[in-house]
Amino acid sequence: DADVTQTPRNRITKTGKRIMLECSQTKGHDRMYWYRQDPGLGLRLIYYSFDVKDINKGEISDGYSVSRQAQAKFSLSLESAIPNQTALYFCATSHPRSGVPPSSYNEQFFGPGTRLTVL
Amino acid sequence: QKEVEQNSGPLSVPEGAIASLNCTYSDRGSQSFFWYRQYSGKSPELIMFIYSNGDKEDGRFTAQLNKASQYVSLLIRDSQPSDSATYLCAVDSSGSARQLTFGSGTQLTVLP
Repeated sequence: DADVTQTPRNRITKTGKRIMLECSQTKGHDRMYWYRQDPGLGLRLIYYSFDVKDINKGEISDGYSVSRQAQAKFSLSLESAIPNQTALYFCATSHPRSGVPPSSYNEQFFGPGTRLTVL
Repeated sequence: QKEVEQNSGPLSVPEGAIASLNCTYSDRGSQSFFWYRQYSGKSPELIMFIYSNGDKEDGRFTAQLNKASQYVSLLIRDSQPSDSATYLCAVDSSGSARQLTFGSGTQLTVLP
């Protein structure tokens, strides 16, 4: 599904380097999220944004920063990468739906993922 | 810390059998519950969501919710080898942001 795209798809970098992962969406959704996935740990929320001027920390924001440049773009930065940031990173989007319970807007749609390796 | 626990697996069932995947959650204020399927190396794909107690059926999939017991399950009838994947349970939070908390997933293998 090309509606949520992530670049790059794979990246190998060295400890201490600055890395930016980018996410773009054509769904017109307001809300965007960054998750990381580690084997056996499921998906953990790093940051989320409800609109261009809204940025919120998730469960594991230390060592990461984000930028919401436009409704369609949400970037994740690792200012100084470390090996334990090696993981699969996913961007996701969501949007309120009418006619259903308020919380149903958390139906989230995921990008294809970025596999990041920090050596 | 709000928690979502899934039966750890891995789970193996023969083709044509019913696969049963279970999930419990700790946040009594949760309102929406989701099941995602994730093939190896791919992104999670939403297959079911439920917000009312009882059963919700969609093709071969049935989601069951019991809020009193804080329990949600997914049944896959007539399991096929193509159903082999990791299934993630996700539960929304009771806070205003209604973030999702994901379980660690159950790996299902359907044996031909």
